[in-house]
Amino acid sequence: QKEVEQDPGPLSVPEGAIVSLNCTYSNSAFQYFMWYRQYSRKGPELLMYTYSSGNKEDGRFTAQVDKSSKYISLFIRDSQPSDSATYLCAMSGVDSSYKLIFGSGTRLLVRP
Amino acid sequence: EAQVTQNPRYLITVTGKKLTVTCSQNMNHEYMSWYRQDPGLGLRQIYYSMNVEVTDKGDVPEGYKVSRKEKRNFPLILESPSPNQTSLYFCASRPDLAGAKQYFGPGTRLTVT
Repeated sequence: QKEVEQDPGPLSVPEGAIVSLNCTYSNSAFQYFMWYRQYSRKGPELLMYTYSSGNKEDGRFTAQVDKSSKYISLFIRDSQPSDSATYLCAMSGVDSSYKLIFGSGTRLLVRP
Repeated sequence: EAQVTQNPRYLITVTGKKLTVTCSQNMNHEYMSWYRQDPGLGLRQIYYSMNVEVTDKGDVPEGYKVSRKEKRNFPLILESPSPNQTSLYFCASRPDLAGAKQYFGPGTRLTVT
């Protein structure tokens, strides 16, 4: 079983829809949770960063962490065609040597 | 501008011909790493370095070498490339702090024929 599970998609939605992207994980030591956005042929770009449980909002993006369920989510409101990309979740523990563990990524397509 | 740079961005080579992919960061980060990304397999860490002269294997180190002689540079060396090393490679860096944000380079697409 992978430490981090993420549905690969693709997920296709109409412009303006609310998008929900999710990851589950098995390691209770994870404390830092991130979402990266990766456009085709580009490097992953850090989108959202959360420590421990709770919500974080940044414009149209909201990241949620539920440590009791070992489940994290990224919500995109009023989705735009420019949001079409692959979204990778990533997480790490409290030790500075603890490497980032990535999900395999969900490909999102927002149709005009 | 804070960034991670990689060169070359695209490379086509033949089996057995040694190559080096350079990586440089201007953020004074201690921690640097190399990943490869393959369809269906996601990002897999090849090697990482926690500081100058300190390197260690990641999940898929076979066939690769690295060195860290300067804090800003972390080259990836393929001494004898093989077709199964055809992939998209990313260099990344972050401060040596728990939970520190990690930043990626633009990627190097390598094809070994």
